[in-house]
Amino acid sequence: AQRVTQPEKLLSVFKGAPVELKCNYSYSGSPELFWYVQYSRQRLQLLLRHISRESIKGFTADLNKGETSFHLKKPFAQEEDSAMYYCALSGGIQGAQKLVFGQGTRLTINP
Amino acid sequence: EPEVTQTPSHQVTQMGQEVILRCVPISNHLYFYWYRQILGQKVEFLVSFYNNEISEKSEIFDDQFSVERPDGSNFTLKIRSTKLEDSAMYFCASSDGTGWQVVNQPQHFGDGTRLSIL
Repeated sequence: AQRVTQPEKLLSVFKGAPVELKCNYSYSGSPELFWYVQYSRQRLQLLLRHISRESIKGFTADLNKGETSFHLKKPFAQEEDSAMYYCALSGGIQGAQKLVFGQGTRLTINP
Repeated sequence: EPEVTQTPSHQVTQMGQEVILRCVPISNHLYFYWYRQILGQKVEFLVSFYNNEISEKSEIFDDQFSVERPDGSNFTLKIRSTKLEDSAMYFCASSDGTGWQVVNQPQHFGDGTRLSIL
């Protein structure tokens, strides 16, 4: 079964502090992992995906197959990072790959 | 930047009535999806659609649900006889099918339709 777990519903850190949003997954095949972000009153948007191995808005995430994790990290949090963050796994038949989402973590950056 | 658009933004319907949620995917995308999010819960996959047919559907997507691409631009989700538990935010998404990396294309989401069943 495909499952994504985000253990923290709420995470609050101070501006300038490091941030780590945890994501663990369960999948029998080769997973594709994504982080989506939803800012206040905005739509879900892709933040980054593991195959790109890029940094977006200072965020990075490394796929650790041994630990089945895909944690999202940023060394210095900014107030505009406050948002809802969803980890998602792509699986299913080739071509139309459904996303399986975690429950989301609401990140609040305090000034 | 092209966007997925969904209408209406909020739909209020009496239990037992039919409802149609509408989506206009990004124009050159080939894969279409519906998800829903019940208040306080995670976003759940409902159905994917490609080449004018359903590719995959979840257990939630029972006989009360149907999807259609009636023309070249719209993608609709119909719920035939709504129940109270259908109250949720419904998201449409689309992804690009061009190029060899079709399986890696990210999904682009609409703003969602909030469906309230009374």
